[in-house]
Amino acid sequence: GEQVEQLPSSLIVQEGASVLINCSYTDSASVYFPWYKQEPGKRLQFIIDIRSNMERKQTQRLTLLFDKKTKHLSLHITATQPGDSAIYFCSASLNTGYQNFYFGKGTSLTVIP
Amino acid sequence: GPKVLQIPSHQIIDMGQMVTLNCDPVSNHLYFYWYKQILGQQMEFLVNFYNGKVMEKSKLFKDQFSVERPDGSYFTLKIQPTALEDSAVYFCASSLGQNQDTQYFGPGTRLLVL
Repeated sequence: GEQVEQLPSSLIVQEGASVLINCSYTDSASVYFPWYKQEPGKRLQFIIDIRSNMERKQTQRLTLLFDKKTKHLSLHITATQPGDSAIYFCSASLNTGYQNFYFGKGTSLTVIP
Repeated sequence: GPKVLQIPSHQIIDMGQMVTLNCDPVSNHLYFYWYKQILGQQMEFLVNFYNGKVMEKSKLFKDQFSVERPDGSYFTLKIQPTALEDSAVYFCASSLGQNQDTQYFGPGTRLLVL
């Protein structure tokens, strides 16, 4: 089945820095890639998504890049704030009609004030 | 944004007992999901549910697992009987549509089987 890998597993940065989270997947049939953020003790919160017919999507301080050939995504977060501290999950969904998400193990981001 | 609720937040039971995890999905959503996350591991898909039926399930969805949503009430995951390896956090999610539609997650139920 689909396998999703994320790197790095953890990041610690100073407030204001930019970070890059990489995600790769294995199944070329995956077509939809939502990302979620999970703050300690809280639920997964949808932050951004991209579909396989796109290469780039940007919302506020988030930029998500998608390379279909290499099966790779990267999430760029600029001007990080302490409130960005959370675990970030990449996920992939196949185009099977009833979508199941395959999740990466997450990247733990800590932003130091 | 839309909120999915899960009850209880924590549950401790003895191996072999039955447990029911409850999910209150977003009110107008039609598709419902359960995921399992063992401590330190990634979240894994268990099952999705639509129109009163299981649409797809993974190999983790053992015969001891069942789901239902009677009369539009809670979407439930029942495990009977429980095993030690069922200890995990179980996340419920719901979505309005099926294909490439955002899933909204609940806060999870932490299940510990002793």
